[in-house]
Amino acid sequence: DAGVTQSPTHLIKTRGQHVTLRCSPISGHKSVSWYQQVLGQGPQFIFQYYEKEERGRGNFPDRFSARQFPNYSSELNVNALLLGDSALYLCASSGESGYSTDTQYFGPGTRLTVL
Amino acid sequence: GESVGLHLPTLSVQEGDNSIINCAYSNSASDYFIWYKQESGKGPQFIIDIRSNMDKRQGQRVTVLLNKTVKHLSLQIAATQPGDSAVYFCAEMTGFQKLVFGTGTRLLVSP
Repeated sequence: DAGVTQSPTHLIKTRGQHVTLRCSPISGHKSVSWYQQVLGQGPQFIFQYYEKEERGRGNFPDRFSARQFPNYSSELNVNALLLGDSALYLCASSGESGYSTDTQYFGPGTRLTVL
Repeated sequence: GESVGLHLPTLSVQEGDNSIINCAYSNSASDYFIWYKQESGKGPQFIIDIRSNMDKRQGQRVTVLLNKTVKHLSLQIAATQPGDSAVYFCAEMTGFQKLVFGTGTRLLVSP
């Protein structure tokens, strides 16, 4: 079975632009979570979606938004990019059974560089 | 590959040694904990998990210990191999599917 897939792999943007990152969960998984990982740190929670509804939001500004589609894939959007948004953006899928402790499986990430 | 963390605590061991990686968590109400392994240029990979009603859980070559009194987790890797070289993160679940990650420890295994 394919794991979590993310696109694109790498992305370079300039300050003020916006970006859309995409994630396809493991087949059968209904939950998608987004994390930001700045170099040298652990991943930081941004959003969690389950059955197309937002279930959780981390401490990120409104420039960050996300959505989940009927096929459970997800997009993360970031507007008005800042240099500090440069990071590895990780998507994790889970939720085969719907329990909060379903294991989260991470994709390879999208490396965003803001110049 | 790109580096995951440049200034992380580092544990250096010889191949065949046992490794112990420690983690302190912050929320005494957390009831689910996970260890992830992250290799350079890759996303975190699930290793093992433990619920708060347990003190110890074993997997293949790995053991996780949980001490709720002092809010401490440890990951023990038996017979460490060069392929175990990576950054290891502990994570606690603080809400529905919301993980809070620790700062990570880099494990370097020399042959």
